Amino acid sequence: EAGVTQSPTHLIKTRGQQATLRCSPISGHTSVYWYQQALGLGLQFLLWYDEGEERNRGNFPPRFSGRQFPNYSSELNVNALELEDSALYLCASSRGTVSSGANVLTFGAGSRLTVL
Amino acid sequence: GEDVEQSLFLSVREGDSSVINCTYTDSSSTYLYWYKQEPGAGLQLLTYIFSNMDMKQDQRLTVLLNKKDKHLSLRIADTQTGDSAIYFCAERNSNYQLIWGAGTKLIIKP
Repeated sequence: EAGVTQSPTHLIKTRGQQATLRCSPISGHTSVYWYQQALGLGLQFLLWYDEGEERNRGNFPPRFSGRQFPNYSSELNVNALELEDSALYLCASSRGTVSSGANVLTFGAGSRLTVL
Repeated sequence: GEDVEQSLFLSVREGDSSVINCTYTDSSSTYLYWYKQEPGAGLQLLTYIFSNMDMKQDQRLTVLLNKKDKHLSLRIADTQTGDSAIYFCAERNSNYQLIWGAGTKLIIKP
């Protein structure tokens, strides 16, 4: 079974540009989560999608946006990039809120965004 | 608001046991999780425990949950150099949201 895949692995942009990161969940998973992990810091929750809908959003400005497609894959867009957006962006998937049990998140390897 | 706290660093000698601690504030937690992150990689689930359990053992890993004190711990027996990583504690609340700790960096001394 393929795991959560993220692309690109690395991305270098300059201030003011836009970045698009992509995530494909595990087959059968309907929920996708996005996290930002700046160097040396913990996980900051960005967005949660389930069944194509945005379920929750973290404390980030509107220039961070995303969407979930009918095949449950997801995109994270960051507009007007700033230097402090440089971080590892992690995507995770799970079976969704309606499932019973532990509803474990499975993480991808991340996309490292560097803003110069 | 809900919060999960962990110490930032733990240093142990190779072969000793490591105990990583976590405290949380939300009394409606349903599940609690331990994840491991190796350098430059994503997070990998180590284990989880349901809130009505007080202990779970899986090979070298033992999870203890004290629900009264809202305290969770992860014990790694016979710590090896491959256990060097950041360990994250997380709790799932009744709204299906995950609240994460800041992570504990485990340093292994030879």
